[in-house]
Amino acid sequence: GESVGLHLPTLSVQEGDNSIINCAYSNSASDYFIWYKQESGKGPQFIIDIRSNMDKRQGQRVTVLLNKTVKHLSLQIAATQPGDSAVYFCAETRDDKIIFGKGTRLHILP
Amino acid sequence: DGGITQSPKYLFRKEGQNVTLSCEQNLNHDAMYWYRQDPGQGLRLIYYSQIVNDFQKGDIAEGYSVSREKKESFPLTVTSAQKNPTAFYLCASRPSSGPYEQYFGPGTRLTVT
Repeated sequence: GESVGLHLPTLSVQEGDNSIINCAYSNSASDYFIWYKQESGKGPQFIIDIRSNMDKRQGQRVTVLLNKTVKHLSLQIAATQPGDSAVYFCAETRDDKIIFGKGTRLHILP
Repeated sequence: DGGITQSPKYLFRKEGQNVTLSCEQNLNHDAMYWYRQDPGQGLRLIYYSQIVNDFQKGDIAEGYSVSREKKESFPLTVTSAQKNPTAFYLCASRPSSGPYEQYFGPGTRLTVT
């Protein structure tokens, strides 16, 4: 069936390096994609979004890239900090619902 | 402060009992959502409501019920028919128009023994 999923369940990154979290989606009709950050025991927080008519969008220290040809979405975090340690979810919109992927845990190495 | 509140943060119940989880928002959002999250898993949609007195089933509605009598409130009842009720429950809301960004509450961790 159609789904939003992630390539890696856990990503370990050295503090100060850049992090890249990937996401594959299968619904070519989705027109809006979102990245969320969830810290332990808390609700998800919006990070950045991108419409399907764009291929790149930048925020503060974060960049989202969308490749519609291969149905791939990525979140890049520059100069990763200890506070970036969390689970990151990509999500797509479908019929007024937001469908979440399983998530990637980002672990920061000192 | 504007936001979404869920109470309580931790809830314990005996098997066979119904339990209602509270979700309130003062953001004037039309749409509200309930998700379930199991350990190490993503969020699965239980129910959602786009307007007062109307709601739709999500992907895993069996064993749950909701009501939307007021714009600010969207309580979720976990019934005894729900086979595996122990989970982290998250409520969210968003405006009916504009960006799809959802605002999440802090969650309620329900443990049923």
